[in-house]
Amino acid sequence: NAGVMQNPRHLVRRRGQEARLRCSPMKGHSHVYWYRQLPEEGLKFMVYLQKENIIDESGMPKERFSAEFPKEGPSILRIQQVVRGDSAAYFCASSSISGKRSYEQYFGPGTRLTVT
Amino acid sequence: GQNIDQPTEMTATEGAIVQINCTYQTSGFNGLFWYQQHAGEAPTFLSYNVLDGLEEKGRFSSFLSRSKGYSYLLLKELQMKDSASYLCAVRALNSGGYQKVTFGTGTKLQVIP
Repeated sequence: NAGVMQNPRHLVRRRGQEARLRCSPMKGHSHVYWYRQLPEEGLKFMVYLQKENIIDESGMPKERFSAEFPKEGPSILRIQQVVRGDSAAYFCASSSISGKRSYEQYFGPGTRLTVT
Repeated sequence: GQNIDQPTEMTATEGAIVQINCTYQTSGFNGLFWYQQHAGEAPTFLSYNVLDGLEEKGRFSSFLSRSKGYSYLLLKELQMKDSASYLCAVRALNSGGYQKVTFGTGTKLQVIP
């Protein structure tokens, strides 16, 4: 499967625990985006990363949230000390920056986070 | 910053034609995407416009007017499976010197028999 992969697909955490969401971009893509989506709402941009570099984190909450995209391995979205309001679907997308349809974002299946 | 507007909800009849509009205000415009998202699933790419005019792809067409900051997605011969949210997304060169894609809040389309 050469598409964007996310795991886990479903994650349940108790309040105060940490959540780690992983995203492997499409083969050949070096740009990763994270979005949050609450039920019945639109996609909210969180962060845009290249390998080893955060390009834009203007959508990330200032506290408890962090993201990385290391040289090797998947991109990680980390949420510390989760609260009920963090319950949402988290989508990862990847893109290339060259070619006719550069910057077209290909989405992964998402991780549904439930905080109890 | 960018401002993207699209209707929240629309209803249309199976077999009919529906037009979903999107207006945007941005500087450094460099393309507009339409995505389809079924409930509980990831968005999937439908179309991309960067020049003025109509792009047709089967039952779906997308139109862009750069001077008016306006696009629409046209769905013909509606099928029940077209019930989904349709997201307009604008790509623009931002102040950080990179191409940023911003999504609208989406239009939830309900197709009824």
